[in-house]
Amino acid sequence: NAGVTQTPKFRVLKTGQSMTLLCAQDMNHEYMYWYRQDPGMGLRLIHYSVGEGTTAKGEVPDGYNVSRLKKQNFLLGLESAAPSQTSVYFCASSYMDTEAFFGQGTRLTVV
Amino acid sequence: KNEVEQSPQNLTAQEGEFITINCSYSVGISALHWLQQHPGGGIVSLFMLSSGKKKHGRLIATINIQEKHSSLHITASHPRDSAVYICAVKTDKLIFGTGTRLQVFP
Repeated sequence: NAGVTQTPKFRVLKTGQSMTLLCAQDMNHEYMYWYRQDPGMGLRLIHYSVGEGTTAKGEVPDGYNVSRLKKQNFLLGLESAAPSQTSVYFCASSYMDTEAFFGQGTRLTVV
Repeated sequence: KNEVEQSPQNLTAQEGEFITINCSYSVGISALHWLQQHPGGGIVSLFMLSSGKKKHGRLIATINIQEKHSSLHITASHPRDSAVYICAVKTDKLIFGTGTRLQVFP
């Protein structure tokens, strides 16, 4: 039982490059979330999903896209990376009203 | 104004002290989470509350739904408790506070 797994753990991108972050959970959770964490700002919600095939915008969705084609996977895409997207990204999953489980984070640097 | 406010933002304590971290929120919620994040580390769920009080070891979490307020208490604090403690509320999504950075000195 791996819980919530994020890949990759580290990445350096050049401005304008694209990449996809993968979040996988093996707990059959309905809810999945992508957050970014920046110094002094806490966790900010980028996008979330309440079930397979559904996604919704969070607090800071611009510059990101997501997909939830399979219940266990939630993908976060950056089509054209910008230095402002340098951050630590966390994925989380949960049932509707249960404990949330977090991935270990992805440290992304855009140069 | 943030929907979830934590206080204090930073807290230092001597080993053995009793610690309280507060969380106030302004939205209707179905549950409230307390999370712990160690420096450079991942995020671990400590408690999920929808009413009353929960205890796990030296940690106690309480919630007052009417007052929209929750507290996290640490009894007999220890240097290994040094971390960022984060409050999050569940609406149709999870909304996070900015965290309380706790340092416990020997």
